[in-house]
Amino acid sequence: AQSVSQHNHHVILSEAASLELGCNYSYGGTVNLFWYVQYPGQHLQLLLKYFSGDPLVKGIKGFEAEFIKSKFSFNLRKPSVQWSDTAEYFCAVAEGRRALTFGSGTRLQVQP
Amino acid sequence: KAGVTQTPRYLIKTRGQQVTLSCSPISGHRSVSWYQQTPGQGLQFLFEYFSETQRNKGNFPGRFSGRQFSNSRSEMNVSTLELGDSALYLCASSLAQGSYNEQFFGPGTRLTVL
Repeated sequence: AQSVSQHNHHVILSEAASLELGCNYSYGGTVNLFWYVQYPGQHLQLLLKYFSGDPLVKGIKGFEAEFIKSKFSFNLRKPSVQWSDTAEYFCAVAEGRRALTFGSGTRLQVQP
Repeated sequence: KAGVTQTPRYLIKTRGQQVTLSCSPISGHRSVSWYQQTPGQGLQFLFEYFSETQRNKGNFPGRFSGRQFSNSRSEMNVSTLELGDSALYLCASSLAQGSYNEQFFGPGTRLTVL
């Protein structure tokens, strides 16, 4: 069965610091990759997704992620975080028509 | 366009009871997926319905069931509730089946089993 690992459970950064959240998955075939974000008190929403093509994908609010097939990784990055980025971030993976498998989430706290 | 709505938002039940949760997808969306979110297990997939048929199923016991109506609204039922069923149950809708279609999540129903 597919599994997704997010190694950072809780990250604390100061505003303007750079962010990188790790995500690794277990399946070796063709997968679709996603990052979702859940802001305090809000719904889970899609940050960005990768299906194929350029392995560097850009999402909303200045986030980007890089797919490295050889490392089974899809790490999320942002050059300079803001206080408003405080949220929980989830990596998710799916094979074609199969359902999403989510990682355990990373809680990001940005201090002003 | 209205988002995904879930009712009720909060529910308290006792062990052994059963519960039904409801999800109304975004207008025009035909696929509805259900997830269980807990602090220990994270987000786990329950099942997906498309055109009134269950298309995918997660690894949950048979006490968890669902259905979808012709208007794409979906209900999820849990029978013989256990303490471990306490969780946030999320519904997500998408235009069609499959991960190529973006899923839009609702606010969830928080179920507490006493």
